[in-house]
Amino acid sequence: AQTVTQSQPEMSVQEAETVTLSCTYDTSESNYYLFWYKQPPSRQMILVIRQEAYKQQNATENRFSVNFQKAAKSFSLKISDSQLGDTAMYFCASHSGNTPLVFGKGTRLSVIA
Amino acid sequence: DTGVSQDPRHKITKRGQNVTFRCDPISEHNRLYWYRQTLGQGPEFLTYFQNEAQLEKSRLLSNRFSAERPKGSFSTLEIQRTEQGDSAMYLCASSPFPETNTEAFFGQGTRLTVV
Repeated sequence: AQTVTQSQPEMSVQEAETVTLSCTYDTSESNYYLFWYKQPPSRQMILVIRQEAYKQQNATENRFSVNFQKAAKSFSLKISDSQLGDTAMYFCASHSGNTPLVFGKGTRLSVIA
Repeated sequence: DTGVSQDPRHKITKRGQNVTFRCDPISEHNRLYWYRQTLGQGPEFLTYFQNEAQLEKSRLLSNRFSAERPKGSFSTLEIQRTEQGDSAMYLCASSPFPETNTEAFFGQGTRLTVV
């Protein structure tokens, strides 16, 4: 079974600064996919960024980037130039073709003006 | 396509009553997931379908819970003899398969309150 662990229940960052959210995972699958989702307060879950495990290059989407360390089974999210709108719960998730999408417990990020 | 739709958005029920939730996925998505989320926690996997086949059920899914996706389109999640511990947000998501590099798209959820 796949497991996803997020060890930081809460984090805060000053506006315009950079913050890194941690995630580790465990899977027996050889081909799998990793995701970071954002859930703003009382709003819908949306995708932030995705990474295919077979790709060595770290994914980047504008201010969001990941540090994917396959051997260490680590998948951290870096948010640069943090904005007030980045305040949300962030969830790390993983799945493969043979397994369902499984989430970590989340990190509550607060961006402070 | 308007995305994943869930109905109702909110449900208040008395303990012991049965409730049923509906999820309409994105039309071309053949995978459909159900999750339960309590306040401040991550979504807990309940079950998922590929077309009409239920592929996996979590140990969290007691025998009071049943899910169906009869024609591989919409899905229902029924909770029988509700308990206060069932109070949570129930999330539905859908994704295409075998395009596994594509993310799951979520509905807005059904918030269940058992009183």
